[in-house]
Amino acid sequence: EVQVLDSGGDLVQPGRSLRLSCTISGATFGDYSWSWVRQAPGKGLEWVGLIRSKTYGETIEYAASVKGRFTISRDDSKSIAYLQMTSLKAEDTATYYCTRQSVRGYDYDVWGQGTLVTVSS
Amino acid sequence: DIQMTQSPSSLSASVGDSVTFTCRASERIRNYVNWYQQKPGKAPKLLIYAASTLHSGAPSRFSGSGSGTDFSLSISSLQPEDFASYYCLQTYNTPHTFGQGTKLEIQ
Repeated sequence: EVQVLDSGGDLVQPGRSLRLSCTISGATFGDYSWSWVRQAPGKGLEWVGLIRSKTYGETIEYAASVKGRFTISRDDSKSIAYLQMTSLKAEDTATYYCTRQSVRGYDYDVWGQGTLVTVSS
Repeated sequence: DIQMTQSPSSLSASVGDSVTFTCRASERIRNYVNWYQQKPGKAPKLLIYAASTLHSGAPSRFSGSGSGTDFSLSISSLQPEDFASYYCLQTYNTPHTFGQGTKLEIQ
């Protein structure tokens, strides 16, 4: 069974940086594209970005709201995806989920439990 | 960017009722729509992918339909565990975008 563990969430001050990790077990990490999705308290889901598999060139896409501040990366040897967040703002406060794009290409089929990032002074 | 307009934003229903939610895309997206259920404090769960295919393990009372710009998720014979929030997601183009969500509440 595939398991996704999101970690790294914390309380940070505006303008600071934080790195989230997404650790996968029970699946061949390198075969898949991985995305980050966030949810502000009491709000809906927001796609943050994705990193494609090596097969698709490990290309990366971002939402406009985080482009230039957030960086997604992956380490296939460790089965970990990362979300490096810089210049954090109060509006980045959210639960961040890592999720796998299925081999079908349509959907995100496996999700982490989420990790809470709070940006506040 | 493709906008996904989901309606209604909330819905009250009773156990045993049938309900339908809709999502309208701002441009044609073939069948690249997925539906998720989310309960408070939990990660979303995939119900339907490719507009109408039931995900493994999702109950058969859930069904999806649509293509192009208009999509719907239906639940027949509501069960107590179905009261949750539901989101559509388009993956036709990046940025991938979610609908605003529908909160299904017990009447």
